[in-house]
Amino acid sequence: DAKTTQPTSMDCAEGRAANLPCNHSTISGNEYVYWYRQIHSQGPQYIIHGLKNNETNEMASLIITEDRKSSTLILPHATLRDTAVYYCIVRVAGFGNEKLTFGTGTRLTIIP
Amino acid sequence: NAGVMQNPRHLVRRRGQEARLRCSPMKGHSHVYWYRQLPEEGLKFMVYLQKENIIDESGMPKERFSAEFPKEGPSILRIQQVVRGDSAAYFCASSPPGLGGGYEQFFGPGTRLTVL
Repeated sequence: DAKTTQPTSMDCAEGRAANLPCNHSTISGNEYVYWYRQIHSQGPQYIIHGLKNNETNEMASLIITEDRKSSTLILPHATLRDTAVYYCIVRVAGFGNEKLTFGTGTRLTIIP
Repeated sequence: NAGVMQNPRHLVRRRGQEARLRCSPMKGHSHVYWYRQLPEEGLKFMVYLQKENIIDESGMPKERFSAEFPKEGPSILRIQQVVRGDSAAYFCASSPPGLGGGYEQFFGPGTRLTVL
C-alpha cells in the first residue's frame, strides 16, 4: 500500500471549514483513498473514501487532485466534537488486501 | 443494529497470565480484523479472519498470540504468557461479506489491556 504524509497537527476555529491535506505521491491506479478518525481513545470511525472523483457525504467532502497524488478532507462546519486524530489511508480494495495501514495521522483541534 | 462489541473493555493481567479478548461483529458481518494500538502510536494491523478461516495474519507476533473466529460465537484474540509490552488497546473491526470484505471497517470500542 502507498505511503501517506500528513501534517502532525492542525487547529481550526469552531464553525469554520477544516481542511486536512494528505500527500500520497506513490499511489497506484487501483488504490483508494480512505479517511478515518479517532476521537480520544475510541475506536476509529470511517469518514469517507474515493478513487479519483470528489466525494461528499453527510460528514465530509473528499477532494482528490487530478493526478491523484494528494487529497484534502474537508469538514465544512467544524464543531468541538470534531477534535480527533484523522488518518488518511491508501489501499487497494480487493480480496486479499483488506487490512488498513494507519500512519500517525493529523491531530485536529477545534478551537472554541 | 448494534455496533461491534468488544469485551472486556478493560483487562488487567499479571505477567505470565493469559488474556482473552472477545469481539462480536456487527450483525451480518462475516469479516473480522484485529488491530493493536500502543500508547501514543497509531493502530497496527494484526490479523484478518473470516468464519473459521484466518485470511491474513501477517501482523501477528510469531509467539504467544493466536486468533480464531468460530462458526458460532465471537472472535477471540488470545495472548498467552503476557508481558508488560503487551499492554495496549486492542481494537476489533468488522465488515460485511462481499468482494474484498467491503470498503468500510466498523470498529469496536476496544479492550485496554494492562499487564502488571
